[in-house]
Amino acid sequence: NAGVMQNPRHLVRRRGQEARLRCSPMKGHSHVYWYRQLPEEGLKFMVYLQKENIIDESGMPKERFSAEFPKEGPSILRIQQVVRGDSAAYFCASSLDTGSHNEQFFGPGTRLTVL
Amino acid sequence: DAKTTQPNSMESNEEEPVHLPCNHSTISGTDYIHWYRQLPSQGPEYVIHGLTSNVNNRMASLAIAEDRKSSTLILHRATLRDAAVYYCIRYSGGYQKVTFGTGTKLQVIP
Repeated sequence: NAGVMQNPRHLVRRRGQEARLRCSPMKGHSHVYWYRQLPEEGLKFMVYLQKENIIDESGMPKERFSAEFPKEGPSILRIQQVVRGDSAAYFCASSLDTGSHNEQFFGPGTRLTVL
Repeated sequence: DAKTTQPNSMESNEEEPVHLPCNHSTISGTDYIHWYRQLPSQGPEYVIHGLTSNVNNRMASLAIAEDRKSSTLILHRATLRDAAVYYCIRYSGGYQKVTFGTGTKLQVIP
């Protein structure tokens, strides 16, 4: 059973371009979470999605950022008009369910560099 | 608000036991304690979780204080591969967004 997959692993964009980060959850998992990690800092929650629904986007900036988890295909985190401050590692996690016993399985992350 | 407090860093000699503390003095009766760790340049991985009783698995042991205001992650024999940032997280029932905090950076000295 493959783990959580993220691609690309590294992404370089110039200011003003768009960044699209993909996450394929573990097989059978319908809960996806996105986190951002700045250098030397902990992970910050961004958004939680179930299939076709955004459940909690309280950690996601209101502008330029969007996320989706379509019925078919991977979850996408989209950053429009990137700025240097968007440079970070973006991690996706999935879980089988929610609740106290349900661990989150993390992908290897996408490291975004904005020039 | 991470709701847990951990030391920023700790050191251990290789093959020695390591005790990583976590303070969660405002924990409620139904909150679980989860531990994750993040190796360099990788995503976090689950280590262990518990509610009241001490827990053991192949990776570590979790000792939870009787009043549940603190817990300790125990690595019985530290190896170089255990060098990572360890995060202690409170986890309520149902969905909640997870706050990782800054964790404890463990250095293992050969």
